[in-house]
Amino acid sequence: QKEVEQDPGPLSVPEGAIVSLNCTYSNSAFQYFMWYRQYSRKGPELLMYTYSSGNKEDGRFTAQVDKSSKYISLFIRDSQPSDSATYLCAMSYSSASKIIFGSGTRLSIRP
Amino acid sequence: DTGVSQNPRHKITKRGQNVTFRCDPISEHNRLYWYRQTLGQGPEFLTYFQNEAQLEKSRLLSDRFSAERPKGSFSTLEIQRTEQGDSAMYLCASRTQQGGTNEKLFFGSGTQLSVL
Repeated sequence: QKEVEQDPGPLSVPEGAIVSLNCTYSNSAFQYFMWYRQYSRKGPELLMYTYSSGNKEDGRFTAQVDKSSKYISLFIRDSQPSDSATYLCAMSYSSASKIIFGSGTRLSIRP
Repeated sequence: DTGVSQNPRHKITKRGQNVTFRCDPISEHNRLYWYRQTLGQGPEFLTYFQNEAQLEKSRLLSDRFSAERPKGSFSTLEIQRTEQGDSAMYLCASRTQQGGTNEKLFFGSGTQLSVL
């Protein structure tokens, strides 16, 4: 079993829809949770991060962490075609440890 | 351009050959990471450096792989006797240790390796 599980998609939604992306994990020792966006033939770029449980909002993006359920989510409001990319969840045990990634969800926003 | 730079962008090689990739991190970043990514998968951790010291190496990493960061600046990743299973995107990332925050990891655009 992988430490971090993520539905690979692809997920296709119409422009303006709310998108929900999710990951589950097995190790309760994870403390830092991140979402990265990756465009084709590019490296991942950080979108959101949270420490421990809770919500964090940044513009159209909201990240949620539920440590009791070992479940994290990323919500995208008013989705745009430019949001079409692969979204990777990621997590780490401490501020100094390596980051472990999910397999990514491929998202397509239809105009 | 002050981002993470990787060279070459693409490398095609024949099975059994050695290849070397280079990564130039953001100048003030003292931590440097190597990841490998195959199609449809997330980045897989390979190794990381703090300055010139290699602090962790994945147990999944074959002994055909070696990485160096001789002066704590740029890093090289060498694969000896390449195999077709080594075909992947090799990503380099860097961050600063300042403040102890882990989240701001900056990635390069990667080196795409194809082993024929």
